[in-house]
Amino acid sequence: GQNIDQPTEMTATEGAIVQINCTYQTSGFNGLFWYQQHAGEAPTFLSYNVLDGLEEKGRFSSFLSRSKGYSYLLLKELQMKDSASYLCAVEDSSASKIIFGSGTRLSIRP
Amino acid sequence: DSGVTQTPKHLITATGQRVTLRCSPRSGDLSVYWYQQSLDQGLQFLIQYYNGEERAKGNILERFSAQQFPDLHSELNLSSLELGDSALYFCASSDASTEETQYFGPGTRLLVL
Repeated sequence: GQNIDQPTEMTATEGAIVQINCTYQTSGFNGLFWYQQHAGEAPTFLSYNVLDGLEEKGRFSSFLSRSKGYSYLLLKELQMKDSASYLCAVEDSSASKIIFGSGTRLSIRP
Repeated sequence: DSGVTQTPKHLITATGQRVTLRCSPRSGDLSVYWYQQSLDQGLQFLIQYYNGEERAKGNILERFSAQQFPDLHSELNLSSLELGDSALYFCASSDASTEETQYFGPGTRLLVL
């Protein structure tokens, strides 16, 4: 079957680092996305990983291990505006569709 | 602003009715995706069109249909509406060269009473 798991909620402190994990089981795999979504707004693209390893983009980094069906999003130097939901999504090549996890709601406290 | 536009922003209708949601992709983008986001289901992929042709199909109900026109705008038709169809409907677009990066529109909030 197809399954994407990520924690429902996380809390972190302003200025700190947080890691949001995502595990997936899909029939096929083309790549893995991370999106940020503020309440009531559209998702915005953060990253797309195809190959194993870490990709860094400013304060955000995304890691992928295809053999383990595992990814994480790392957010550094957290700011209050980073309070949002973070969505993990897998492009399933065999099903020709994109499957989203339920999202992780991240709350940043001062 | 992603460059993707959706109309209307809000829609209130009754059960059994039919509505059409409209999406204009970013200039030059050939792919259009439709998603449904409800409180208890998260973001669900519905369907993808590429240059006028259906490319991928997700969890789209038979009561729902979509099309992409020659000018690349797309419409999502929802018929025989039920209370459970109340949700945010997002459209996203991507271009041929960087198809993995999807740009989302602001969404249409549909409320079925």
